Amino acid sequence: GAGVSQSPSNKVTEKGKDVELRCDPISGHTALYWYRQSLGQGLEFLIYFQGNSAPDKSGLPSDRFSAERTGGSVSTLTIQRTQQEDSAVYLCASSLGGGGGNTIYFGEGSWLTVV
Amino acid sequence: GDSVTQMEGPVTLSEEAFLTINCTYTATGYPSLFWYVQYPGEGLQLLLKATKADDKGSNKGFEATYRKETTSFHLEKGSVQVSDSAVYFCALSFNSGGSNYKLTFGKGTLLTVNP
Repeated sequence: GAGVSQSPSNKVTEKGKDVELRCDPISGHTALYWYRQSLGQGLEFLIYFQGNSAPDKSGLPSDRFSAERTGGSVSTLTIQRTQQEDSAVYLCASSLGGGGGNTIYFGEGSWLTVV
Repeated sequence: GDSVTQMEGPVTLSEEAFLTINCTYTATGYPSLFWYVQYPGEGLQLLLKATKADDKGSNKGFEATYRKETTSFHLEKGSVQVSDSAVYFCALSFNSGGSNYKLTFGKGTLLTVNP
């Protein structure tokens, strides 16, 4: 499809396990974002990529969280040693670039439940 | 830091009623302002935006005007429909010293429209 694609759409994992969430942005979009949506916290910014580099990682909540982007396209968000407080919807978004008020398009999210 | 405050929900209206969802922001400078909508089971979608003071964003019968003097961007619709039932998020973004247009969101307002 033409939109931002995320997988898996739902993931249930045991506390302490590692998880990987994948994002496939809109073709040609150089900017890519990860957000987290959880009850009580609303939507929180996690990390921003421009191409393959991440000039803003300020929202990553701890060193258990990391993300990478390869080929200026697909991105993976990895959560190590998951905790119950990591349960949330992880949203990926992309835009043409960072300048000029480009519209940011969101995927449908990956719903993570840590039990 | 930058922040967005929007009226807490939930908001319940009858079809054809007038809708206002208040949104105010705190920011150092002049951000771009957005309303995003999340329909049940779907991802976030941009509803409308305004990039400078006194601009009016509009889409699908919704409107919001960027008011610098009151730092507000209230969402209005003259006659709501059942299909407008969704969660509405107010957001702002800056070009923060580079190419980063990350969004800062309000906590969202759940709107339910009854027939």
